[in-house]
Amino acid sequence: AQSVSQHNHHVILSEAASLELGCNYSYGGTVNLFWYVQYPGQHLQLLLKYFSGDPLVKGIKGFEAEFIKSKFSFNLRKPSVQWSDTAEYFCAVNARVTGGATNKLIFGTGTLLAVQP
Amino acid sequence: DTAVSQTPKYLVTQMGNDKSIKCEQNLGHDTMYWYKQDSKKFLKIMFSYNNKELIINETVPNRFSPKSPDKAHLNLHINSLELGDSAVYFCASSPTRLGTQYFGPGTRLTVL
Repeated sequence: AQSVSQHNHHVILSEAASLELGCNYSYGGTVNLFWYVQYPGQHLQLLLKYFSGDPLVKGIKGFEAEFIKSKFSFNLRKPSVQWSDTAEYFCAVNARVTGGATNKLIFGTGTLLAVQP
Repeated sequence: DTAVSQTPKYLVTQMGNDKSIKCEQNLGHDTMYWYKQDSKKFLKIMFSYNNKELIINETVPNRFSPKSPDKAHLNLHINSLELGDSAVYFCASSPTRLGTQYFGPGTRLTVL
């Protein structure tokens, strides 16, 4: 079964620190990869996505992520975080299965980022 | 303009009641979904419809019944509510079966 692991459950950073959130998935086939953000009390918003092409993708608000196929990873990065980045971050995978397609998004358990001013 | 909307935003009810949550998208998408987010923020898909046809039905109690009157609407009806049904329910839509999913604001259901 496909699964997504986010190793950091809770990250605390000071403003201007660099951020890297880990995401690994288990699936041997073609995948689409996503990072979503959920600000306190709000709905999920798409930060960035990878379908194909350049494995380094840039998203909104200065975020980027790198797809490393050999490591089954899609880590999220930001060079300098702000207080307003405080939120829950979810990695998700949409996997294609043999003989068809699936549009199930499999989510990781989320990483709660707290940025201290 | 709200792309994916849900009503109500909050729903507090007693055990054993029947309730519905409504979802509408004005994006012209073909595919819609229901997800459940539990108290630990874990998100899991429940159902997906593509052009009014059910295409994903995860292991969900049959007390939950989705209904899609047209491709812009996907409602979720829950019978005989239980304490464990308390969660935030998110609706989402995507242009195609494998497209990017866009989420609604969520409905926080509390069963007392």
